[in-house]
Amino acid sequence: QKEVEQNSGPLSVPEGAIASLNCTYSDRVSQSFFWYRQYSGKSPELIMSIYSNGDKEDGRFTAQLNKASQYVSLLIRDSQPSDSATYLCAVYNAGNNRKLIWGLGTSLAVNP
Amino acid sequence: DTGVSQDPRHKITKRGQNVTFRCDPISEHNRLYWYRQTLGQGPEFLTYFQNEAQLEKSRLLSDRFSAERPKGSFSTLEIQRTEQGDSAMYLCASSLSGRDEQYFGPGTRLTVT
Repeated sequence: QKEVEQNSGPLSVPEGAIASLNCTYSDRVSQSFFWYRQYSGKSPELIMSIYSNGDKEDGRFTAQLNKASQYVSLLIRDSQPSDSATYLCAVYNAGNNRKLIWGLGTSLAVNP
Repeated sequence: DTGVSQDPRHKITKRGQNVTFRCDPISEHNRLYWYRQTLGQGPEFLTYFQNEAQLEKSRLLSDRFSAERPKGSFSTLEIQRTEQGDSAMYLCASSLSGRDEQYFGPGTRLTVT
């Protein structure tokens, strides 16, 4: 079992819809969770971080964390074509010498 | 606020040559990470510095790879005797002690011919 799992996609949504991206992780002591956006040929860009159970909202983005289920998600409201990218889930455990453990990413396509 | 910078952005080299990449982290960040990424994969951890100390190096990394951060500021990653399998995007990230978020530079794309 991979440490961080994401559906590879592609996830295709129409412009204006809500895109829902999911991530599960295997290490129960993981403490910090991040979503990065990566455009083709570019480096990852941090868009959301979440540390405690519940929801965290930032503009059109909402991150949701459920530690009991070892599950973190990202919702993108009012999706725009410019949101088309790969979304990487990363999990941090200070006991793992501060390395981020990465999923393979979910490709999102927002269709005009 | 200046972000993480990397140089060069692109490097094409012939198999067997040595290459060196540079990373300048965000100025107040004391932690620096090197990753490698190939198409369709997440970033693969290579090594990590806290200040000038190299605290961990991936076991996947062969002895051809070496990294330094001599004064706890910029870092260099050297690959000796490059192989075609080294072709990838090399990413540098930095973070602030006490914070878990890592911020990435633009990357250096290496092509070994």
